[in-house]
Amino acid sequence: SSELTQDPAVSVALGQTVRITCQGDTLRTYFASWSQQKPGQAPVLVVYGKDNRPSGIPDRFSGSRSGNTASLTITGAQAEDEGDYYCNSRDSSGFHLVFGGGTKLTVL
Amino acid sequence: QVQLQESGPRLVKPSETLSLICTVSGGSISNYYWNWVRQPPGKGLDWIGYIYYTGTTNYNPSLKSRVTISLDASKTQFSLQLNSVTAADTAVYYCARHRSTGYTDYFDHWGQGTLVTVSS
Repeated sequence: SSELTQDPAVSVALGQTVRITCQGDTLRTYFASWSQQKPGQAPVLVVYGKDNRPSGIPDRFSGSRSGNTASLTITGAQAEDEGDYYCNSRDSSGFHLVFGGGTKLTVL
Repeated sequence: QVQLQESGPRLVKPSETLSLICTVSGGSISNYYWNWVRQPPGKGLDWIGYIYYTGTTNYNPSLKSRVTISLDASKTQFSLQLNSVTAADTAVYYCARHRSTGYTDYFDHWGQGTLVTVSS
């Protein structure tokens, strides 16, 4: 099992706000980054660090951290936001990289 | 725009070596970390390891005994070798660029991925 724990599945009504979380002790030190993956496609970075978005990512995506939990918030979820979301950070050694198990987001 | 493209055999026999190459175009190898990540069918992402442009490597402890990642900067390519494969190594293999800012690591460019099947 991963050192970063994510809920397997989350759902949100169209236009509502949803928070996807990632828990792990190393998140007290290191920030998480978040990638979105749609079926049959490679992951795409959506949020990284404290709260940064790559060029082209809508501002409805935002990141935050509290204690050992990092969160990805989508404010006003759209149908195209459906997919799997993965957090990544460092493992307990602080040296190796690790991914969370992923959260499947369904937009109702 | 940086692009990454995986290439290599799609079918490998059990106990043999899986070998993949990632070709980087549209950007420099310098100052970045070059990673391999895999995803078994229907499962999540699994970090395999990276090579820094200086040649320094870092591997997932669970795979370290079987993995080698190397870099050919002159060709802007890096490669993955995974020895003694079993069916459990069947996965989509992605190459990806990652950047590190001290307390943040993020994967900002990915290849399209290639499915490698381990079967006799």
